[in-house]
Amino acid sequence: QQQVKQSPQSLIVQKGGISIINCAYENTAFDYFPWYQQFPGKGPALLIAIRPDVSEKKEGRFTISFNKSAKQFSLHIMDSQPGDSATYFCAATFYSSASKIIFGSGTRLSIRP
Amino acid sequence: EAGVVQSPRYKIIEKKQPVAFWCNPISGHNTLYWYLQNLGQGPELLIRYENEEAVDDSQLPKDRFSAERLKGVDSTLKIQPAELGDSAVYLCASSLGLAPYNEQFFGPGTRLTVL
Repeated sequence: QQQVKQSPQSLIVQKGGISIINCAYENTAFDYFPWYQQFPGKGPALLIAIRPDVSEKKEGRFTISFNKSAKQFSLHIMDSQPGDSATYFCAATFYSSASKIIFGSGTRLSIRP
Repeated sequence: EAGVVQSPRYKIIEKKQPVAFWCNPISGHNTLYWYLQNLGQGPELLIRYENEEAVDDSQLPKDRFSAERLKGVDSTLKIQPAELGDSAVYLCASSLGLAPYNEQFFGPGTRLTVL
């Protein structure tokens, strides 16, 4: 019940295209859903996050879409750039006390020039 | 402002040897986390400290792993003895506190290879 399932495992997108990564969670008590970006040799860094009281959050080229009834959320990267090539992790936790973040298994994104 | 500092960045040891990892969190961050990241997987929490107190160590394999955070600042994670399956990246993270949500900032990790 604590799992966060992420797909696809890897993704190749042409420069300028839209990258889409999907996640599903089981525990309906989760109320904070962050996405992390990790470059090789670096630790994960918070990219964007959403709470389930909204269906969409946009920050620049990055958008989270959230479907509470389906217990699914996704990351959309518009106008994907080679610099976006990284591993992306979705996650779920509790906003009131982020004592434990449950991470998805990650998506390795490659943007082809 | 300096981020989370970890050392060493890489460590290669033979099985059954001991190994230790060090983490210095962002100044002023009371909460410190150690995560394990296996290849191709997301990080998994090993232990969380609030100041010098370990408040969640339920995922720490206590037969071989130990951790300490003396004086509530930097922290050390130790494995003794190391096994082949311990090969992974060990990440340290810190945050201002738990509630309301405070972002966790991750260090670059220590990549451990056990031969």
